Amino acid sequence: DAGVTQSPTHLIKTRGQQVTLRCSPKSGHDTVSWYQQALGQGPQFIFQYYEEEERQRGNFPDRFSGHQFPNYSSELNVNALLLGDSALYLCASSLGGGGETQYFGPGTRLLVL
Amino acid sequence: GIQVEQSPPDLILQEGANSTLRCNFSDSVNNLQWFHQNPWGQLINLFYIPSGTKQNGRLSATTVATERYSLLYISSSQTTDSGVYFCAVVIFTGSARQLTFGSGTQLTVLP
Repeated sequence: DAGVTQSPTHLIKTRGQQVTLRCSPKSGHDTVSWYQQALGQGPQFIFQYYEEEERQRGNFPDRFSGHQFPNYSSELNVNALLLGDSALYLCASSLGGGGETQYFGPGTRLLVL
Repeated sequence: GIQVEQSPPDLILQEGANSTLRCNFSDSVNNLQWFHQNPWGQLINLFYIPSGTKQNGRLSATTVATERYSLLYISSSQTTDSGVYFCAVVIFTGSARQLTFGSGTQLTVLP
């Protein structure tokens, strides 16, 4: 039973560039949520995808966008990168919209120089 | 929005000691999870416990939903228990299902 996978594991970008992060949910799960975790803080909710639609969004600017594919995998895109976007990006999968247990992937560490 | 507070922020223990971590939340919740984040950043599920008591080996958790708090107990701590412990809650409002995390408890277990 494959768990949640994320790629890449690490990424270095420069200010102004664009980045795409990828997530494959746990087998049988249909909901993907993305979180940003800055150093020393708890994860912050970015948005959630269910049935290929963004159903809920946290307090993040439009530079953050996403997509869910028919196989339930998901992408997080960040445009016009800022130094403050440097963080650990976590993907969580769950069943039926996120109301039950959410399982997290290993994360992608993004460094913006 | 809902506020989640964890205490203590830092905890240093000698191997073999017991500890209690606390999570207070400001509103009624539908879901509460405890996680352990290892040094590599992986969030490991410990408990899904919106109410009641659960035990898993040396760990147990109790959520008293009516009083808006949850406790995580670690007995006979080991160095591998070191890391950050987070509680996170969900309130079912409309389509909202996101986890709101506390700021975590940094646990260090010394050999």
